Amino acid sequence: EVQLLESGGGLVQPGGSLRLSCAASGFTLSSQAMSWVRQAPGKGLEWVSGIGGSGGNTYHADSVKGRFTISRDNSKNTLYLQMNSLRAEDTAVYYCAKPMSYYGSGKGCFEYWGQGTLVTVSS
Amino acid sequence: EIVLTQSPGTLSLSPGERATLSCRASQSVSSTYLAWYQQKAGQAPRLLIYGASSRATGIPDRFSGSGSGTDFTLTISRLEPEDFAVYYCQQYGSSPQTFGQGTKVEIK
Repeated sequence: EVQLLESGGGLVQPGGSLRLSCAASGFTLSSQAMSWVRQAPGKGLEWVSGIGGSGGNTYHADSVKGRFTISRDNSKNTLYLQMNSLRAEDTAVYYCAKPMSYYGSGKGCFEYWGQGTLVTVSS
Repeated sequence: EIVLTQSPGTLSLSPGERATLSCRASQSVSSTYLAWYQQKAGQAPRLLIYGASSRATGIPDRFSGSGSGTDFTLTISRLEPEDFAVYYCQQYGSSPQTFGQGTKVEIK
């Protein structure tokens, strides 16, 4: 059974950094494309970052490019999102998600989702 | 970037009624790359439909998707109590992939 478990969210000041983790089970992360999708309070869904399959190319939305980095540790079967220079508008629940099929550049429809982790950027 | 506009914003219906949700794209979307999700309060989204009309695993057949080009529709044939939720469409054919703003289906 595929399971995704996010952690690492919390309260951080503007300009600060945070690293989110997504522990995967039921499949081998190293060969799978994955993404992070966020949802601001009371708002809709926004794709944030994606990483390809075994090639490992990474992709980011313009809103986070240069500030966020997606990566994975194959030995731990864990996906990460390093978030730097955080802004108030980055406040959201962050979900890791596994696509049903992968169409390059981070694109895919998401069959499996974690429960989400809340990031709050505020002074 | 392809903008997806969902309508209506809120749909007030009674259990047993038919729900029709619309998703309009600012540019043509290949029907291969259009999905629908259901999200209940405090939960992660759940994939309902992919490829515009294919039901995901375990999704009841009262959910159906249709459409092509710039106009897509999600239909719930007879609303069950557990279907009252927010629904999002997503296009994943063009970068960046984008989501609609959602339609809330509420109990009338």
